[in-house]
This record gives sequence, structure tokens and C-alpha cells, in this order.
Amino acid sequence: SAVISQKPSRDICQRGTSLTIQCQVDSQVTMMFWYRQQPGQSLTLIATANQGSEATYESGFVIDKFPISRPNLTFSTLTVSNMSPEDSSIYLCSVDGIAASDTQYFGPGTRLTVL
Amino acid sequence: KQEVTQIPAALSVPEGENLVLNCSFTDSAIYNLQWFRQDPGKGLTSLLLIQSSQREQTSGRLNASLDKSSGRSTLYIAASQPGDSATYLCAVRGNTPLVFGKGTRLSVIA
Repeated sequence: SAVISQKPSRDICQRGTSLTIQCQVDSQVTMMFWYRQQPGQSLTLIATANQGSEATYESGFVIDKFPISRPNLTFSTLTVSNMSPEDSSIYLCSVDGIAASDTQYFGPGTRLTVL
Repeated sequence: KQEVTQIPAALSVPEGENLVLNCSFTDSAIYNLQWFRQDPGKGLTSLLLIQSSQREQTSGRLNASLDKSSGRSTLYIAASQPGDSATYLCAVRGNTPLVFGKGTRLSVIA
């Protein structure tokens, strides 16, 4: 299995500001995924981040709004830029490929509230 | 586009009952299907992963089945306990990363 940590665990932010969320994994992984879970909804994939290349964004998500860094095989950041109340969600990072397994593991999430 | 549906949306049962959660998906061209548990305000815990070539997987009181051709999976929970109360999410992986259903919110009453 994988141990995934995220910082911060929660935050309350003002409209128009930006927040960077960190994700740390205890194993080296090729792909890391960032998901959003809006209140009462299921998970939606924001982007896939491979080390050494640009992140791949899903339809409806753009790099200017959600820039992602992937500096090494155990770490990634997601920035939520120019926030609005609609960005209030839980943001989760995820990995797979641990010990050649297809199981996908998730971090504990970052609960973001935008006022 | 893959779509995943989970029925029921919510379920309340007395402790000790056996129960079944349902998941259906529209595109049968999947690599695997995974069941997760999510406690309120928390991340996801992987429960079971079924590869497309498999029919079922078991872990303790949990049994997940997969009928790929009909686009269906079930999660069977035996002898339910109050600690099983959580939201259960089904997710499928095909040519794209995991696509999730909206989940079934389970309450097990002592």
C-alpha cells in the first residue's frame, strides 16, 4: 500500500487569493492524480501529473486556474488560483502503480472553504 | 464517455444484516473496477479491486462481484456493523483514469 499525506488538511480562504496544496507519497510513483470533490458530489479528476512533463488536464479544468508541479517521483503540488466560493471543495491527490499494483490510493484530502 | 451509477443513494439497515450495494457502468471496456469507502470529511480507503478478467474478490466480510459484459458490479457486506457506516464509492478504469459513481451512503443502526 501507499502512505499519502496532504498539507494543509483544511483552510479557509478569501475570494481572489490562491492556495497551494502539497501531496507527499512514501513511494516513488510515475503518475499522480488530483481530484476535486464538491459538496455532496463524487470525485472529479482535475489532472494527471507525470514527473518531468506537463500535467494533463481534464475537460473543464485549465492550467491557469489549477497549476500543478511535479518536481520528483514522490511529491506534487496543486494550486487553486484566484479562488471563488465555487472552488470550495475537498481536493484529493491519488497514486497508483505501487508495487506493480493497479490499486489506486488516495490522500486524506484538503478541505477548502472560500469566503 | 464512461458513466457510473450507484444504487441506492442511501441505505439504512439494522446491525447484523447482510446487504448489497449496486454499481453499473455504461462502457464495458474497462481494465478494472475498484470499491472505496469514504468516512465523512475524510479521504478514500480502497476496499477491493477487481480486474476485468476476474468475477469476484473477497476481503473479510466484503465480497465484490463483476459482470463486465452487463456493466454491473455488486458489493456484498455480510453481518453489517455500526463501524461499516460510511459512503461506499465504485470507480472504473478504462482508457481514462478512474471514473467514480456518486456513492451509496450506508448507515448501520445498532
